[in-house]
Amino acid sequence: SAVISQKPSRDICQRGTSLTIQCQVDSQVTMMFWYRQQPGQSLTLIATANQGSEATYESGFVIDKFPISRPNLTFSTLTVSNMSPEDSSIYLCSVLPPGTEQYFGPGTRLTVT
Amino acid sequence: DAKTTQPPSMDCAEGRAANLPCNHSTISGNEYVYWYRQIHSQGPQYIIHGLKNNETNEMASLIITEDRKSSTLILPHATLRDTAVYYCIVRVGYGNKLVFGAGTILRVKS
Repeated sequence: SAVISQKPSRDICQRGTSLTIQCQVDSQVTMMFWYRQQPGQSLTLIATANQGSEATYESGFVIDKFPISRPNLTFSTLTVSNMSPEDSSIYLCSVLPPGTEQYFGPGTRLTVT
Repeated sequence: DAKTTQPPSMDCAEGRAANLPCNHSTISGNEYVYWYRQIHSQGPQYIIHGLKNNETNEMASLIITEDRKSSTLILPHATLRDTAVYYCIVRVGYGNKLVFGAGTILRVKS
């Protein structure tokens, strides 16, 4: 199993600013994912962030808007840049440890005003 | 990955079995069926997965039809804490990303 923590748990930000979300895992994992969950919607994969390689973004998501860092096997950050109210969502970090299933963090609830 | 279809919502009486259906008629031979659930304001939680045989663990049972075009997740004795959104996902093996559909909102009522 894997225990995931995210910081901040929630934030209210002004449009045009940026927020960096941190994801910390209690064990070393290669495969890590970032998801977005808009209000009342299902989860949408933003990108896959494997340590040692550049993040791979899904259709509709670009690096300039959602830059990701993955400096080591237990940590990652997702930045939401130049925010607008449409970016108001829950952002979730997820990991896939070897030989087990995918685990999700508690999420970061972002409100952009 | 194959697409899944689930009813948008279901109700279940507390203590009764909850049977959640999922259609995945375009599933390929190497795709697994996964079930996750998301309790309000939490991250999704893994429940169970299977390829073609029925599976059971401490949380639930998974029944997959012989042609693998549909499956049913069974919570044998639903409690109020099982109220959540349940997602049926098909995925090629281990190590691939999970793609979520709309899911089924299960409401367990006393």
